[in-house]
Amino acid sequence: SQQGEEDPQALSIQEGENATMNCSYKTSINNLQWYRQNSGRGLVHLILIRSNEREKHSGRLRVTLDTSKKSSSLLITASRAADTASYFCATRHDKIIFGKGTRLHILP
Amino acid sequence: EAGVAQSPRYKIIEKRQSVAFWCNPISGHATLYWYQQILGQGPKLLIQFQNNGVVDDSQLPKDRFSAERLKGVDSTLKIQPAKLEDSAVYLCASSLAPGTGDTQYFGPGTRLTVL
Repeated sequence: SQQGEEDPQALSIQEGENATMNCSYKTSINNLQWYRQNSGRGLVHLILIRSNEREKHSGRLRVTLDTSKKSSSLLITASRAADTASYFCATRHDKIIFGKGTRLHILP
Repeated sequence: EAGVAQSPRYKIIEKRQSVAFWCNPISGHATLYWYQQILGQGPKLLIQFQNNGVVDDSQLPKDRFSAERLKGVDSTLKIQPAKLEDSAVYLCASSLAPGTGDTQYFGPGTRLTVL
């Protein structure tokens, strides 16, 4: 069974706007990672947040983690056309489990 | 730094045939993963190697799938015989070592179509 569940399944926004994706999971974790997948390509690691961390930043990315609610969010600020991709959260406890992903489409 | 290499990139076979995928991880990466990604879903871990030993193969359909990592470097994943539901992208990833701080680096994948 898949641990992480992303929400929404699909998201379309105008270029320049912010995009927020959420991930919920069911059991305790060691860390949570976000990956991006462009169409027809492999996954690219974006950011890792450990279970004892609450927020991390990397460039235009901001990730939060709420272990009490078993949820995480990924915020992409000032979106660009190149951000169009699928975004997956992956939780790690004894193994890494990916969610089904959010398909993000940036409109020109 | 060279990335994770996979071949072939595309493969079309008929059901009941056999197929093999090859992966060359990033140099020095001890851990290697094979994932199956069905269209519209996230990757599902099939098998994880630490050097040439199997760490986790709990989701590998062992009646038809097999994988090996000889000498702890390259790896092959084989399906024999293939079924229609095996149509998917097979992703290989590698990382320095498992644990709370590891980052997985993915190859481009092999897209398998079973007719």
